[in-house]
Amino acid sequence: DAGVIQSPRHEVTEMGQEVTLRCKPISGHNSLFWYRQTMMRGLELLIYFNNNVPIDDSGMPEDRFSAKMPNASFSTLKIQPSEPRDSAVYFCASSFDLGGNTEAFFGQGTRLTVV
Amino acid sequence: GQSLEQPSEVTAVEGAIVQINCTYQTSGFYGLSWYQQHDGGAPTFLSYNGLDGLEETGRFSSFLSRSDSYGYLLLQELQMKDSASYFCAVLRSARQLTFGSGTQLTVLP
Repeated sequence: DAGVIQSPRHEVTEMGQEVTLRCKPISGHNSLFWYRQTMMRGLELLIYFNNNVPIDDSGMPEDRFSAKMPNASFSTLKIQPSEPRDSAVYFCASSFDLGGNTEAFFGQGTRLTVV
Repeated sequence: GQSLEQPSEVTAVEGAIVQINCTYQTSGFYGLSWYQQHDGGAPTFLSYNGLDGLEETGRFSSFLSRSDSYGYLLLQELQMKDSASYFCAVLRSARQLTFGSGTQLTVLP
C-alpha cells in the first residue's frame, strides 16, 4: 500500500479564498483523523471519523472549517473563507481500529500558507 | 477537559539513555502511544501501552502507570538519528487520539 496520501503537499492562497485539502486513507482502515500542527499549538485533533461517520468534531476551530468523508477511501477538509491564522501543516492519519492498539499512519501533510 | 504534559526539550549525548515523561489528565482513557517526528516529516508510531508496565521494542521502551496517569519513553544507546520530536498521545475509549505538545530531543556527538 502507498500509505496515506494527501494533496496538495503545499498550498498558498489569499485570505478569503476557499481551500480544500484531500486525503486518501490506507485501504481497509476504518478510522480517519485530521490534525493541524503549528509551533504554538502543536498537533491538534480537528475531527475524527469512524466507518465514514464523524465521531468527534470538537476540535474544529470555527464554522469556517468543515470535513467530509463520503466513502471509505476519501476525505476532505475545507476552509471557507481562509484566514492567515489558518496557516499550518494539516495532517491526515488513518488506522484500523480493532479495539486494541490504534497505530495511526500519517500522510506527509499539506503545508498551507494563507497570505 | 484533558491535558498532556511533557518536557519541551531534552538534550543528551550519543550512546546515552534518555527518558521522556508524560503525564495526562483525560476522561475515557484507553491507552498511551508514543510517536516520533523528524523535522519536516510526518509523525510515525513508536509504541503503545494499554496496560500498566513496560513495553520494549529494540532500543526503545515505553512504560505506563494508569493509577498515576503517567508514562515515559526510554531511549537507549542514543544515536544522532534519534534527534527528533517525540509525542505522547492518549487514546480515548471513543477512539480519538490526542497528542501532547511534544519533546524536542537533541542528540550531541
